[in-house]
Amino acid sequence: AQSVTQPDIHITVSEGASLELRCNYSYGATPYLFWYVQSPGQGLQLLLKYFSGDTLVQGIKGFEAEFKRSQSSFNLRKPSVHWSDAAEYFCASSSRGSGTYKYIFGTGTRLKVLA
Amino acid sequence: NAGVTQTPKFRVLKTGQSMTLLCAQDMNHEYMYWYRQDPGMGLRLIHYSVGEGTTAKGEVPDGYNVSRLKKQNFLLGLESAAPSQTSVYFCASTPRGQSVPEAFFGQGTRLTVV
Repeated sequence: AQSVTQPDIHITVSEGASLELRCNYSYGATPYLFWYVQSPGQGLQLLLKYFSGDTLVQGIKGFEAEFKRSQSSFNLRKPSVHWSDAAEYFCASSSRGSGTYKYIFGTGTRLKVLA
Repeated sequence: NAGVTQTPKFRVLKTGQSMTLLCAQDMNHEYMYWYRQDPGMGLRLIHYSVGEGTTAKGEVPDGYNVSRLKKQNFLLGLESAAPSQTSVYFCASTPRGQSVPEAFFGQGTRLTVV
């Protein structure tokens, strides 16, 4: 069965520090992979997405993610975190089945940024 | 450009009451979804629809019903609300035929059942 694991529930970093959020997926083939961000009281906004091609994907707000098939990972990175990046981040995978795309979400990582 | 709009944004229900959550999208998307978000559990799929007039069960469908009479609308109903249905509900939609299918989300409905 398809699954997504985000091992870190909370992460705290200082403003200006680098960030890496971990995501591991389980699926027979390469699924569609996504990172979403959710600010308090808001919906989910897409940061980036991947299916094939270059394994380093650039997204919005200075985020990037790297797909590593050998590790079944799709980790999100940012070289220098800003206070406005404090939010909850969700990794998701999707595959086609039953006539539609089914999205599986990780449990989320809440990012706190120290001034 | 409204995208995905959910109504209402907040609601408090008493146990046993019924209500309907409305999701409307103006992007002509084929696929629509209802999720619930609970702390530490991420988003879980309640029901989904692959097109007008069709619906299907997701991961946690019990206690909910849905309808998609028009392509742009996807309704989620609670016939007899229970405290376990206290959650934040998100609607999403996806277009058909995209190379990497991105889901677009509404702002959410925070429902409290007392």
